Amino acid sequence: KAGVTQTPRYLIKTRGQQVTLSCSPISGHRSVSWYQQTPGQGLQFLFEYFSETQRNKGNFPGRFSGRQFSNSRSEMNVSTLELGDSALYLCASSLGTVKLETQYFGPGTRLLVL
Amino acid sequence: QKEVEQNSGPLSVPEGAIASLNCTYSDRGSQSFFWYRQYSGKSPELIMFIYSNGDKEDGRFTAQLNKASQYVSLLIRDSQPSDSATYLCAVPTGANSKLTFGKGITLSVRP
Repeated sequence: KAGVTQTPRYLIKTRGQQVTLSCSPISGHRSVSWYQQTPGQGLQFLFEYFSETQRNKGNFPGRFSGRQFSNSRSEMNVSTLELGDSALYLCASSLGTVKLETQYFGPGTRLLVL
Repeated sequence: QKEVEQNSGPLSVPEGAIASLNCTYSDRGSQSFFWYRQYSGKSPELIMFIYSNGDKEDGRFTAQLNKASQYVSLLIRDSQPSDSATYLCAVPTGANSKLTFGKGITLSVRP
């Protein structure tokens, strides 16, 4: 079974631009969660989508948004990029319907904002 | 107090030793706990999860949970240089698919 895939793997943007990242979950998984990882803050939860609906949300500003498509693929968008948005963005997929289930992480997208 | 804390580290042990990694959590209602390993430049991968008090063993790895004291630990026996990585403790908070992670402990195993 193929794992979680994320595109692109690396991205360089300038302040003020916007960016869209994509995540394809493991086949059969309906939940996609997004995390931001930085050296200072560690791994922080952004939001989770299940069956095309945002089910959970972390404490990030409205510049961070996402969506999920009917095939469970998910995108996240960051508008008006700031230097502090430079980070590794990880998505994780899971079935989304089972208690105590495991999340499987993709390889991540490394975003650098100049 | 942060929800999940991993205060000790970085940790350096010689090859063959036991590495002990600790994590404390603040929510007494937490039911399950996950340990992820993250190699430099890679994404986290699940090593173990535990939801019952006591020990859970998987090969060289043992997870220990003490709900009364609100800590969970990971023991790595016969540590190998390939175990050198950052180990992240994670606790589901709120709904199931939201994991709160500790900052991680970086382990270095010296040959």
